Parts: sequence; C-alpha cells; structure tokens
Amino acid sequence: GAGVSQSPSNKVTEKGKDVELRCDPISGHTALYWYRQSLGQGLEFLIYFQGNSAPDKSGLPSDRFSAERTGGSVSTLTIQRTQQEDSAVYLCASSLGAWNEKLFFGSGTQLSVL
Amino acid sequence: AQSVAQPEDQVNVAEGNPLTVKCTYSVSGNPYLFWYVQYPNRGLQFLLKYITGDNLVKGSYGFEAEFNKSQTSFHLKKPSALVSDSALYFCAVRDMRNYGQNFVFGPGTRLSVLP
Repeated sequence: GAGVSQSPSNKVTEKGKDVELRCDPISGHTALYWYRQSLGQGLEFLIYFQGNSAPDKSGLPSDRFSAERTGGSVSTLTIQRTQQEDSAVYLCASSLGAWNEKLFFGSGTQLSVL
Repeated sequence: AQSVAQPEDQVNVAEGNPLTVKCTYSVSGNPYLFWYVQYPNRGLQFLLKYITGDNLVKGSYGFEAEFNKSQTSFHLKKPSALVSDSALYFCAVRDMRNYGQNFVFGPGTRLSVLP
C-alpha cells in the first residue's frame, strides 16, 4: 500500500473485554514498531519486530499485552481484559529495516475503554 | 540505555521570528537522531535525521537541526516561523552500536506560532 494502514481507527470497548488492533505496514518494510500515545503525552514504546528476529517486547506494560506479526507483514496487537488506563492512541510504524531509516507512521487507533 | 529529553513542554514564538526546539540525548555509542512532527489530527511525519557527516542537517518545510556531540544535543531550528508550523515535535534517538534497539522518543514539545 501507499502508507502504513491501521484498523480500526477508533475502538470503544468495555472494561474487561479483549481488543485486537491491526497494522498493515508498507510493502517491503522489514521493521515494524508499536507505540502508545496517551493524551498529551509522548510516545511509549511497546514492541518492535525486525525481520525474522525475535521481537523486542521490552516495552509491553503487562502480560495482558501481546503482539504478533504474520509472514513478516501484518501485525496484530492484542490487549486482553482491557482496563481504563489502556485508553490511548496506539501507533504503528514501519521502516525499511536499516538502522538509519526513518519511520513511517500510521494514523493510529484511538482506543477508549469505558 | 538510550534516553531523550526535551526540556520545554511548550514553545511560543511570533510568526516570522526564528524558532528553536531543544533536544538532548543519552546513548552509550554514537547516535542516530531524528525529528518528527505531529500536526493536529494527523500522524507523525519525519522531518529530518542525523546519521553522520555535517553537523547541520536540513530537512522538510525549511527546518534544520544542529548536532552537537560535546553537548549531546540536537536542537531543531527554523529561521522564520510560520503559523502552520504549530504542532507537536518529537526528538528520537537510536544507538548505532546496539543493533535491534528500538527508537526512543522524547516527551514532545508543543510549538505555537502566534500571528
């Protein structure tokens, strides 16, 4: 595709429910990142996939959060038993994979947990 | 560990005046440095990057940034601000020596350019 695509753009859920957020990176980009941006806050790193290497999960805030990347392309971020503090914009980014390559960001998924 | 500081939450500048958005970083090796901008209701966009070479890097929309190794800084600058430059600006760093490390972003600085 022309850019990084994220879906849904908005998600409202009830506390305790599970949610899945999808990211479709730019074709050919081997690196994929998930970040979280809370209202008025900076970007909090969640997880990073690079090619076939084991993902860097060091930013996941709890074991309720998990992510996978199938076939080196599409990624799904899953949040189980959502809590109100999970409300944020979840941003996905991809890059060609080299160290010095810039990130291309999607428009994000606004998650609201009621 | 990598870290980025943006000491100012908010910067206000009059249109036509020069602007500076400050960034300092900490890495164990040599850094790759980036600036991104987030306009209202839009995704983050790349502005410029420093990898190696000239300390003054030029980027999109007339922005430039100066890498200062001794001060571990990478301040974003523009000679003449526009109202349309009003946005949230993020500095980011990656450590060259630690392949596989992710990008670390600063907390962001909100720039307001007043007409």
